[in-house]
Amino acid sequence: ETGVTQTPRHLVMGMTNKKSLKCEQHLGHNAMYWYKQSAKKPLELMFVYNFKEQTENNSVPSRFSPECPNSSHLFLHLHTLQPEDSALYLCASSQAGLAGNEQYFGPGTRLTVT
Amino acid sequence: AQKVTQAQTEISVVEKEDVTLDCVYETRDTTYYLFWYKQPPSGELVFLIRRNSFDEQNEISGRYSWNFQKSTSSFNFTITASQVVDSAVYFCALTTQGGSEKLVFGKGTKLTVNP
Repeated sequence: ETGVTQTPRHLVMGMTNKKSLKCEQHLGHNAMYWYKQSAKKPLELMFVYNFKEQTENNSVPSRFSPECPNSSHLFLHLHTLQPEDSALYLCASSQAGLAGNEQYFGPGTRLTVT
Repeated sequence: AQKVTQAQTEISVVEKEDVTLDCVYETRDTTYYLFWYKQPPSGELVFLIRRNSFDEQNEISGRYSWNFQKSTSSFNFTITASQVVDSAVYFCALTTQGGSEKLVFGKGTKLTVNP
């Protein structure tokens, strides 16, 4: 595997389900991110992790719970979601410590909440 | 606060035409970085270029070129002799030195290149 991978690529879940999105980066980076991309909206940053520590929570509802067990893996745990949470969830990674380093993105998980 | 504006929501061209995607940014920081990303239908954002605020030299990479002008706070992207494979959504983004790793994205421009 190379770059940034995400699983699953597609997910359909009911509002009472609990599911998790997984992201793995194979680039040796030390920062990881979750973004939400909804139709006709700009990409929204959700969470940032630097060296496994959460450094940014962009006012995300608690029904989204991130977990970063090491610098290569990032999870997004989902529970009691709403239909408006349906979106493309993108994971990214970068080399933290120097401002302006480019982020590399995974292919995303297309989430549909029914 | 930082802001990126991509005024063109959608552009449609015929193959081999040249096309320019506009990007205007706002920031009060003197040190900042600008990016362009391509998002094909598969969904993955592909990094194209990074520019820092101290380097106004324009760049050319094959059929792609970028025009950075601090005087107008613009970082425009031109595709020469467009191809069908260039069809995608293109995002311009900004981060500043004091902004940790936060990237601020524009809303994107959807480019369709017709054969």
